[in-house]
Amino acid sequence: VQLVESGGALVQPGGSLRLSCVASGFTFSNYAMTWVRQAPGKGLEWVANIKQDGGDKDHVDSVKGRFTISRDNARNSVFLQMNSLRVEDTAVYYCAREGFSYDWNFDVWGRGTLVLVSS
Amino acid sequence: EIVMTQSPVTLAVTPGEPASISCRSSQSLLHSDGNNYLDWFRQKPGQSPQLLIYLRSNRASGVPDRFSGSGSGTDFSLKISRVEAEDVGVYYCMQALQSPPTFGQGTKVEIK
Repeated sequence: VQLVESGGALVQPGGSLRLSCVASGFTFSNYAMTWVRQAPGKGLEWVANIKQDGGDKDHVDSVKGRFTISRDNARNSVFLQMNSLRVEDTAVYYCAREGFSYDWNFDVWGRGTLVLVSS
Repeated sequence: EIVMTQSPVTLAVTPGEPASISCRSSQSLLHSDGNNYLDWFRQKPGQSPQLLIYLRSNRASGVPDRFSGSGSGTDFSLKISRVEAEDVGVYYCMQALQSPPTFGQGTKVEIK
């Protein structure tokens, strides 16, 4: 069971970035997926999640209207489209699987990808 | 949103000794289904977080039985019965009762 994130980069304020997370070792389409971020030296903040069929999504208020989570079950992938990036969006972004037991049961995590927003 | 508060911020423990971390929520995490929607994670230095305890007291797969979770409502604790060197890291509690799921600020466990 593995999650591998990619797409992190240095981007200017106001710019855009698309993060990807590829899953392996389990039936991806059976699981909801989540993004969690961690600013440098700080704690964890949930960002967004998406249900198994992609029809139901949720985002934390601080990113609503700027970030969009999506998934492609044929490619075992979940994405985070980030627009209008701000300095405060600088963080390591983790992809996590939501287990069956209940919503937000983060039972598997990727290694993360770093997004640096700076001029 | 539900605010999670952990204490202490830092905990220095002698190997072989017990350790305890407290977590308090701004509202009850007890659901009508009888579960307390409180999870614990550990983040070892340079690594991603790892699920330790889910629904207050259930150990995740592969977690040693020296880790235990307890509490109910708004007050919870994570106990390590005998700390080992590999237990260093930052421990986070998280509420999974309502959106958005929110984390405590973390407790850093160090070895004396």
